[in-house]
Amino acid sequence: AQKVTQAQTEISVVEKEDVTLDCVYETRDTTYYLFWYKQPPSGELVFLIRRNSFDEQNEISGRYSWNFQKSTSSFNFTITASQVVDSAVYFCALSEAGDYKLSFGAGTTVTVRA
Amino acid sequence: SQTIHQWPATLVQPVGSPLSLECTVEGTSNPNLYWYRQAAGRGLQLLFYSVGIGQISSEVPQNLSASRPQDRQFILSSKKLLLSDSGFYLCAWSVIGRTEAFFGQGTRLTVV
Repeated sequence: AQKVTQAQTEISVVEKEDVTLDCVYETRDTTYYLFWYKQPPSGELVFLIRRNSFDEQNEISGRYSWNFQKSTSSFNFTITASQVVDSAVYFCALSEAGDYKLSFGAGTTVTVRA
Repeated sequence: SQTIHQWPATLVQPVGSPLSLECTVEGTSNPNLYWYRQAAGRGLQLLFYSVGIGQISSEVPQNLSASRPQDRQFILSSKKLLLSDSGFYLCAWSVIGRTEAFFGQGTRLTVV
């Protein structure tokens, strides 16, 4: 069975600080996919990134970066120079090859204060 | 471009009343479709998914059912709502062969 753990329930930072969200996963499959989603106060989940298990290259997109480490089964997400608009709940998710569903972590609420 | 529409945005229903939430996707054919529920406290739980018309898989036994009468239409229903059905319901779609799902804006259901 697959499992995603986001140990941080809430994180509060002041604007311009960096914030790192932890995600640890469990799976028996060798082929799997990892995701991050953002849920702003409006409620809609916004897809941020998909990473497959064979690609451990870190990725940067603007102020967002992701660190995938298979050795520690982690897929951490960093927001650099946070802004108030980054305030949201962030979810890490996992799917296994051939499976249609996403298994979500419990989410981390990020509050960025001006 | 693909878009997903979900309605209504909010709904307040009495216990024992029926439910019908609708979701449609535009701009793509034969998508995988999903219904998720997010109870207070944030966790997202997959309720149903569909890989084609009339094909529904249920993940969690419950008071709800789903139907896919058309390729890009997914309906979540209940004959009699329970208080425990309250929550935020999200419809999503994905391209066949890919698992990143794209979500609708959600329906906040309150059963009173």
